[in-house]
Amino acid sequence: GNSVTQMEGPVTLSEEAFLTINCTYTATGYPSLFWYVQYPGEGLQLLLKATKADDKGSNKGFEATYRKETTSFHLEKGSVQVSDSAVYFCALSGRSNDYKLSFGAGTTVTVRA
Amino acid sequence: DTAVSQTPKYLVTQMGNDKSIKCEQNLGHDTMYWYKQDSKKFLKIMFSYNNKELIINETVPNRFSPKSPDKAHLNLHINSLELGDSAVYFCASSRGEGTGELFFGEGSRLTVL
Repeated sequence: GNSVTQMEGPVTLSEEAFLTINCTYTATGYPSLFWYVQYPGEGLQLLLKATKADDKGSNKGFEATYRKETTSFHLEKGSVQVSDSAVYFCALSGRSNDYKLSFGAGTTVTVRA
Repeated sequence: DTAVSQTPKYLVTQMGNDKSIKCEQNLGHDTMYWYKQDSKKFLKIMFSYNNKELIINETVPNRFSPKSPDKAHLNLHINSLELGDSAVYFCASSRGEGTGELFFGEGSRLTVL
């Protein structure tokens, strides 16, 4: 079945540091890939997505590229802010009969001033 | 206007009680979901409804019963609450099955004493 593995946290960074959160997936066919973010006390919200190989999703300074050859969708941001402190979830949605959204375990990121 | 709203936001109750959580979405979406998030932030899908019909029913104790009176509402009723039911329950909606783009409510934190 489909599954997502993302790097374990927690991750603690200083402001303006570079952030990478690794995400790899296992799926049959060509899934769609997502990053969701959960700010403290809130529900999840979609951060970015990519629906086919080599697509790059981007939003709020975050980027992730769908790499079919390495089955990866790593999240990156060049210069984090305190307001980026949140839990980040990588997710995968399969095709046709296996469209259920599968989430990774989440990575807690704390950015210190 | 909140797109996906859940009530109550907090619920503290004794073991053995029965409780309900309500969810409403005003986005005109066809598909709604219930997710459970444990203390380690792990998200697990419980149920999904599409146009009031149950389409996903994961391995969840039958003490949990979803009800969808119309496609804008998906309520969750829990009988005979147990300590292990303590979690944050998230309602979500999407335009259809398999889009992967879910809109989440703010969550309902259930504490069973």
